[in-house]
Amino acid sequence: QKEVEQDPGPLSVPEGAIVSLNCTYSNSAFQYFMWYRQYSRKGPELLMYTYSSGNKEDGRFTAQVDKSSKYISLFIRDSQPSDSATYLCAMLAGLSASKIIFGSGTRLSIRP
Amino acid sequence: GAVVSQHPSRVICKSGTSVKIECRSLDFQATTMFWYRQFPKQSLMLMATSNEGSKATYEQGVEKDKFLINHASLTLSTLTVTSAHPEDSSFYICSARGPGQGWGTQYFGPGTRLLVL
Repeated sequence: QKEVEQDPGPLSVPEGAIVSLNCTYSNSAFQYFMWYRQYSRKGPELLMYTYSSGNKEDGRFTAQVDKSSKYISLFIRDSQPSDSATYLCAMLAGLSASKIIFGSGTRLSIRP
Repeated sequence: GAVVSQHPSRVICKSGTSVKIECRSLDFQATTMFWYRQFPKQSLMLMATSNEGSKATYEQGVEKDKFLINHASLTLSTLTVTSAHPEDSSFYICSARGPGQGWGTQYFGPGTRLLVL
């Protein structure tokens, strides 16, 4: 079993829709949860960074962590064609942990 | 924000040749650099971690004699794929971290696409 599971998609939604992206994980030691956006043939860029359970909002993006279910989500409101990219969830057991564990990424396409 | 560059962005080589990829931190000193490999539709997999002036630490299953990493300065790390074979074709991404920053703080480069014929 992979430590982090993420549906690869592709996910295609119309412009303006609310997008929900999700990951599940198996390691209860994970404490830090990140979402990265990766455009085609580019390196990932950090979107959101959350510690432990709860919600965090940044503009049109909301990250949600439910540690009891080992489930994290990223919501995108009022989706735009420029949001079309691959979204990677990532996790860290602690700031002194040895490495970031990435999900495989979900390809998202926003139709104009 | 911190900027990391990679060169080249794309390289095609013949099987058996060696390829060098450079990773530079442009506006900060990178005490630690990370090298990842990403196959199509798969996750980023950490290959190795390098600290400036020290030998790189390789992840399990990554051949250190095949993937040579040099981190000779605080702004430059290089990955050399020696005797490349078609199965080494992948997207190689580096990331960098400055002094005093935690493991979660990594600035990624744009990646290098390697195609071995």
